[in-house]
Amino acid sequence: DVKVTQSSRYLVKRTGEKVFLECVQDMDHENMFWYRQDPGLGLRLIYFSYDVKMKEKGDIPEGYSVSREKKERFSLILESASTNQTSMYLCASQEGLRTGELFFGEGSRLTVL
Amino acid sequence: AQSVAQPEDQVNVAEGNPLTVKCTYSVSGNPYLFWYVQYPNRGLQFLLKYITGDNLVKGSYGFEAEFNKSQTSFHLKKPSALVSDSALYFCAVRPIIFNAGNNRKLIWGLGTSLAVNP
Repeated sequence: DVKVTQSSRYLVKRTGEKVFLECVQDMDHENMFWYRQDPGLGLRLIYFSYDVKMKEKGDIPEGYSVSREKKERFSLILESASTNQTSMYLCASQEGLRTGELFFGEGSRLTVL
Repeated sequence: AQSVAQPEDQVNVAEGNPLTVKCTYSVSGNPYLFWYVQYPNRGLQFLLKYITGDNLVKGSYGFEAEFNKSQTSFHLKKPSALVSDSALYFCAVRPIIFNAGNNRKLIWGLGTSLAVNP
């Protein structure tokens, strides 16, 4: 089975702190994604990556950056956390084919105080 | 603008009854269609997808979905609901546009909360 592991299920941070959310997949998938999920807003794409060191902005990239130094790992970085970044963050991976489905991690619930 | 609509925020059904969760889309061309399920405090899990071929697609946990091209719909169905089916269901569409970035991006519905009552 494909496994996508997010390093932290629950985090509490203070405004202004730098936050790292880590995601690792074990299926050699080319594509990886970071979403945030908020009630009433569904899933919104923050960034995605289709290859090592390659990244593209999603729909809401402001306030976030990403890093993909190795194929299996995709990190989301909040340079200076703000309260409006309190959310559930979901990482997903997908094989390179357009027909492929996404495999999600369990999510990281971030609270910024 | 391209969009996916799940017209019902919540669906309530009695255990043992058939269930339908609706999804319609407004996307050019012949997109790929997906359903995902999310249990409380968990990530999303893939249920099924339509790529091409038979309009009725069967997936995990006894779910199926019917693709209707003329109505641009992809409704999720199950003949007999279980209490354990209670969850949040998301419809997603991948437009087929020959641009590398867009081929990887999904358009998501806002989700439908399914409650199956014992």
